[in-house]
Amino acid sequence: QLQLQESGPGLVKPSETLSLTCTISGGFISDINYFWGWIRQPPGKGLEWIGTVYYSGTTYYNPSLKSRLTVSVDTSKNEFSLKLVSVTAADTAVYYCARQPNADDWLMFHRWGQGTLVTVSS
Amino acid sequence: QSALTQPPSASGSPGQSVTFSCTGTSDVGGRSNYVSWYQQRPGQAPKLIIFEVTKRPSGVPDRFSGSKSGNTASLTVSGLQAEDEGNYFCSSYAGTNNYVVFGGGTKLTVL
Repeated sequence: QLQLQESGPGLVKPSETLSLTCTISGGFISDINYFWGWIRQPPGKGLEWIGTVYYSGTTYYNPSLKSRLTVSVDTSKNEFSLKLVSVTAADTAVYYCARQPNADDWLMFHRWGQGTLVTVSS
Repeated sequence: QSALTQPPSASGSPGQSVTFSCTGTSDVGGRSNYVSWYQQRPGQAPKLIIFEVTKRPSGVPDRFSGSKSGNTASLTVSGLQAEDEGNYFCSSYAGTNNYVVFGGGTKLTVL
């Protein structure tokens, strides 16, 4: 059964880089039937799509984050990653990784990781 | 501010039905009808319960149903149960630049 697990520092200083990894088990990142995405949720607030990657390395980014964002894949480790530079307190959120179908409606997230809280604070 | 507007709260008694709305500034989901709904129980990750406006993933009870009319998508939960408490988020295709946006969520309380 597919499982997604986010990992990375829980505390990042302002102006530094937030780096997270999503490790996939029970499935393969190179499966042509899926995309892989990141979504975040500030405490007590709604969801925001961050970006999506295909195993080939093709990426799709939220325009509001694009200038600070890199999403990448490592097929040898069966994982994908998120890097967000120049973070501020507004980037404090629970970050989720998720799987998306390679289909006409690829913008749905049908399997989610448990999420990891990242706090931006000095 | 979310691009999709959802009422912040809703409530109902066990056995009743409740409907959530999700309103956009243009045709929600676009001409391709790409609207999804997610249930988020307290302390848990969101779970997909409706996709493409009306479709349910395997394992989601048929008590959950979706519909859409122009700028507004709706989710109806019939036969309310205590386990249905939580937040419900809609999402919609937002064009080739923004791709996907979410609503702010509606918190459901089962009385």
